[in-house]
Amino acid sequence: EPEVTQTPSHQVTQMGQEVILRCVPISNHLYFYWYRQILGQKVEFLVSFYNNEISEKSEIFDDQFSVERPDGSNFTLKIRSTKLEDSAMYFCASNPGQGAGELFFGEGSRLTVL
Amino acid sequence: QKEVEQDPGPLSVPEGAIVSLNCTYSNSAFQYFMWYRQYSRKGPELLMYTYSSGNKEDGRFTAQVDKSSKYISLFIRDSQPSDSATYLCAMKYGGATNKLIFGTGTLLAVQP
Repeated sequence: EPEVTQTPSHQVTQMGQEVILRCVPISNHLYFYWYRQILGQKVEFLVSFYNNEISEKSEIFDDQFSVERPDGSNFTLKIRSTKLEDSAMYFCASNPGQGAGELFFGEGSRLTVL
Repeated sequence: QKEVEQDPGPLSVPEGAIVSLNCTYSNSAFQYFMWYRQYSRKGPELLMYTYSSGNKEDGRFTAQVDKSSKYISLFIRDSQPSDSATYLCAMKYGGATNKLIFGTGTLLAVQP
């Protein structure tokens, strides 16, 4: 069964460092997303990406965050200068098309900022 | 008032019990409703996806949507210890957005 894969599974970084989280969405999907979940809190939407551009973003997704699809398979989330409060699980998700609300999530990348 | 409200639990039931999980929401613009299961430190796994009011059944799982009451439910029949997880409801507005709004999740423990 096709799945969304994410790397790394866990990253520890120092405050102020740049971090890149990587995702390989399901191959025939067109929409890609990043969500995050701070420990003990809700899963929160960060950004959606379609046709090589951001289609929607939340207020959390400020100038410190960026997304990119550098090739035909990878989808990345970059945090330029990490803060302590960026510590969370980051989930990549994809779905086949607009209106199809069935998002398929990866296993997540745990980011710990010290 | 929060957009989506869900009792965090924990909910503990004996094996074989019928489990009822619920969410309420405040905005009638939500059109699509989902239930995800999340095991500890794993990604959400889609269980059920519904659009209209009414019931949808898939194996031991039944999703129920009542748009007039802004209330959705997930029923699990013949619950198993392997059903022990956090259950997240999620909702989406109609139109161009694909952004999901999640509930806080209900932690379910099925005791053998």
